[in-house]
Amino acid sequence: DTEVTQTPKHLVMGMTNKKSLKCEQHMGHRAMYWYKQKAKKPPELMFVYSYEKLSINESVPSRFSPECPNSSLLNLHLHALQPEDSALYLCASSQDRQRNQPQHFGDGTRLSIL
Amino acid sequence: DQQVKQNSPSLSVQEGRISILNCDYTNSMFDYFLWYKKYPAEGPTFLISISSIKDKNEDGRFTVFLNKSAKHLSLHIVPSQPGDSAVYFCAASEPSYNAGNNRKLIWGLGTSLAVNP
Repeated sequence: DTEVTQTPKHLVMGMTNKKSLKCEQHMGHRAMYWYKQKAKKPPELMFVYSYEKLSINESVPSRFSPECPNSSLLNLHLHALQPEDSALYLCASSQDRQRNQPQHFGDGTRLSIL
Repeated sequence: DQQVKQNSPSLSVQEGRISILNCDYTNSMFDYFLWYKKYPAEGPTFLISISSIKDKNEDGRFTVFLNKSAKHLSLHIVPSQPGDSAVYFCAASEPSYNAGNNRKLIWGLGTSLAVNP
């Protein structure tokens, strides 16, 4: 069982749709991450939130918009995505972004863009 | 250029034997190393980590060895079980020195382990 919960597990959307991915953790972690993973590749970092503030944006296109409403929740708002954005989107959390602590991952949202 | 390299894309081992997964890195500033296991359709699961001040860390069937002079680490799984069949990722990070930087993970490309009954 993962302690990072992501919803939905699967999402199919058209290029003009707006949808959101959600992530929740109750481990008291103060750093939360969004990753994108393509088949047979390692996860690619997209965003990092630290103490509910955006700390890192890895030059992600603006059609992806992260939000951290509180220390337990992380959202990723999607709008006008392209077919190449189809991937597994992973959320992770860690105790603190700067200390030697592992990141713990959710099971991801499998996103398909039609 | 790949700072963390897993040169074996796949490995096949008999159940009960030892699995040894290898990882090489080029950045001498890396001071924290992790191994993750990934099943299809699931997120990566943290297995074990090691700080650069150590050369070995053990957790049950899993042991990670770090050779800093060779910039090499390995994950040993003993005994291997069919449920260990998965993709294993090596990852590393270096200290961040200002408030604006995050301790990012730099990932290898993974090794697919198959444990045969």
